[in-house]
Amino acid sequence: QQQVKQSPQSLIVQKGGISIINCAYENTAFDYFPWYQQFPGKGPALLIAIRPDVSEKKEGRFTISFNKSAKQFSLHIMDSQPGDSATYFCAASSYNTDKLIFGTGTRLQVFP
Amino acid sequence: DVKVTQSSRYLVKRTGEKVFLECVQDMDHENMFWYRQDPGLGLRLIYFSYDVKMKEKGDIPEGYSVSREKKERFSLILESASTNQTSMYLCASSLFGIRQETQYFGPGTRLLVL
Repeated sequence: QQQVKQSPQSLIVQKGGISIINCAYENTAFDYFPWYQQFPGKGPALLIAIRPDVSEKKEGRFTISFNKSAKQFSLHIMDSQPGDSATYFCAASSYNTDKLIFGTGTRLQVFP
Repeated sequence: DVKVTQSSRYLVKRTGEKVFLECVQDMDHENMFWYRQDPGLGLRLIYFSYDVKMKEKGDIPEGYSVSREKKERFSLILESASTNQTSMYLCASSLFGIRQETQYFGPGTRLLVL
C-alpha cells in the first residue's frame, strides 16, 4: 500500500521558474518528512527535512511547506536551475522507527 | 566524508542463480538498509538491520535474504534470481536513534536477470 503519494511524476520547468512537488500521507503517526534528491547514476541524498511543529522550512532556494490538517507537504524550488534537474523523493517516518516510507518520485527537468 | 560503497555498479545474472550484493559503510552507523528502485514505484524497503546479526523485513522481503556479520557490512542475497528482480538496488546507512537520522545512500547496483 502506498502510504505517501507523490505528484507529479514528471515536471518540466524553465530556468528561473518555480518547481512545485506535492506529497500526501495517510498515517497520522508520521512526524518527520524529508526530501531526497537523486542525480543520474547516484544514490539519493538528503536535501531538506521538516517536522510537524513548523509549517515551513527554507534552505536557500528550497522550501518545504507543511499542512498538518490536510496531511500534505510540498517542495518548492525557487529560481529553478538546470543543475536542479534530478529526481526528487518525498518520504515520511514515525517517531518510533528509523524506517522511511518513500513517495514514487518526481523527475524534474529544468531547461535553459 | 561519509561513504557507502556497493560492490558492483552493474550485474548481469541468469535466472536461478544465487546473487550476492555487498554494501559497506565507513561511518560506524548502526542502521543499514536495502531498497530496490523501480520507475513509478519509488524506493521500496526490502530489509533493514539495526545491529550486527539483527534484521527486520521491510515491505517487499519475498525472494530476498540478508546477512550482517560485521557492523560495517550488509549483504543482500537473492537465493534464486528471477527476471522480476531486475532492478536498481540501493544500500543506505544511518545512525540509530529516535530522531530519524539522515540516511546515506550508496551509488546503487543495477541488476539484470536474464
